[in-house]
Amino acid sequence: AQKVTQAQTEISVVEKEDVTLDCVYETRDTTYYLFWYKQPPSGELVFLIRRNSFDEQNEISGRYSWNFQKSTSSFNFTITASQVVDSAVYFCALSEASQDQLIWGAGTKLIIKP
Amino acid sequence: DAMVIQNPRYQVTQFGKPVTLSCSQTLNHNVMYWYQQKSSQAPKLLFHYYDKDFNNEADTPDNFQSRRPNTSFCFLDIRSPGLGDAAMYLCATSRDSRVVEIPYEQYFGPGTRLTVT
Repeated sequence: AQKVTQAQTEISVVEKEDVTLDCVYETRDTTYYLFWYKQPPSGELVFLIRRNSFDEQNEISGRYSWNFQKSTSSFNFTITASQVVDSAVYFCALSEASQDQLIWGAGTKLIIKP
Repeated sequence: DAMVIQNPRYQVTQFGKPVTLSCSQTLNHNVMYWYQQKSSQAPKLLFHYYDKDFNNEADTPDNFQSRRPNTSFCFLDIRSPGLGDAAMYLCATSRDSRVVEIPYEQYFGPGTRLTVT
């Protein structure tokens, strides 16, 4: 069965600190895709990244970076020099190839204090 | 800007009184989704459409129905809302993954928060 675990329910850090959000997944498929979405207090979910199971290169986008490790079935998300605007709930999700449905993690609420 | 629009943003209905939530998109995406999201939980998929081809999740209650009259619009009907149906309802769209077998990212609307009194 497919499953996504985000063990951190809530994280609180002070602005400018680095913070890592953990995501661990389970799947029997050899081809799968991992996603991160951000849900700010306004409620609208925003896509951040998609990664396929054959691409283990880490990705960096500005202050955001993602570490994909198949050996540990993890796809962790790091925010460097956090800002108050990063405060949101972050969801990790999993999808099989050719499937549009997502298996969602429970989400991690990130609070950035000024 | 291309987007997903949901109306109304807030809806109050009475217990048992039918309610319809609407969603429209200007992205021309083939796939549309309806999610239910309760407080501090992940979104839960209710239905999705490939064009007009309707797909119901196995655990979606019969109380929930949906219509997609054209590519741009999709509706969620709750026939007899109960207190447990109070939630945020999210509409999303994406391109169709079936040809390339790569799931595309989903674009979400701002949601409709439903209150049942």
